[in-house]
Amino acid sequence: DAKTTQPPSMDCAEGRAANLPCNHSTISGNEYVYWYRQIHSQGPQYIIHGLKNNETNEMASLIITEDRKSSTLILPHATLRDTAVYYCIVRSRASKIIFGSGTRLSIRP
Amino acid sequence: AAGVIQSPRHLIKEKRETATLKCYPIPRHDTVYWYQQGPGQDPQFLISFYEKMQSDKGSIPDRFSAQQFSDYHSELNMSSLELGDSALYFCASSFGLAGAETQYFGPGTRLLVL
Repeated sequence: DAKTTQPPSMDCAEGRAANLPCNHSTISGNEYVYWYRQIHSQGPQYIIHGLKNNETNEMASLIITEDRKSSTLILPHATLRDTAVYYCIVRSRASKIIFGSGTRLSIRP
Repeated sequence: AAGVIQSPRHLIKEKRETATLKCYPIPRHDTVYWYQQGPGQDPQFLISFYEKMQSDKGSIPDRFSAQQFSDYHSELNMSSLELGDSALYFCASSFGLAGAETQYFGPGTRLLVL
């Protein structure tokens, strides 16, 4: 599975949009981009995933560049409860998740 | 909606003892994954099962074994426990091996080896 690169930490003001970048320049055509987050030792929580097209659900939006070499997770209105480690994962079908170091997102009141 | 259930949630064992962790997947899910997360580390894949057969294996010590039962629940058996086995153990479940099936994680079992 492709390797991802994320900034180790970011912060965002409460109520603003949080934009978390991820580079995955070696992604293969059959690999999906997944985002999970882990809030303080809880089980990783699924957020969103996509293959080529941008995706949106009730939690977030996922923007994937046309060449698929990078993506951005957008939390539209960050709250204190969004403080967590966010993992960008690239994986092919039916494969295990290989977690990188993720981005530690802090939300400022 | 029903989620992945793990038991026990907390477990304290002595060195060289054995431990059994249980995972009950989301109903209709047939694939189970086990992950280990040491203190200050990211989760690491241990082993997975699909339809009761081992489907993939990661950095799982030989002292650990696991299986998936006919009702799709899974158990991780850990023997000759060492201090370094102290960690959070997560189970995740998904449906099927086709497509980018999403894994949903349980709350984890916190194992402390003294």
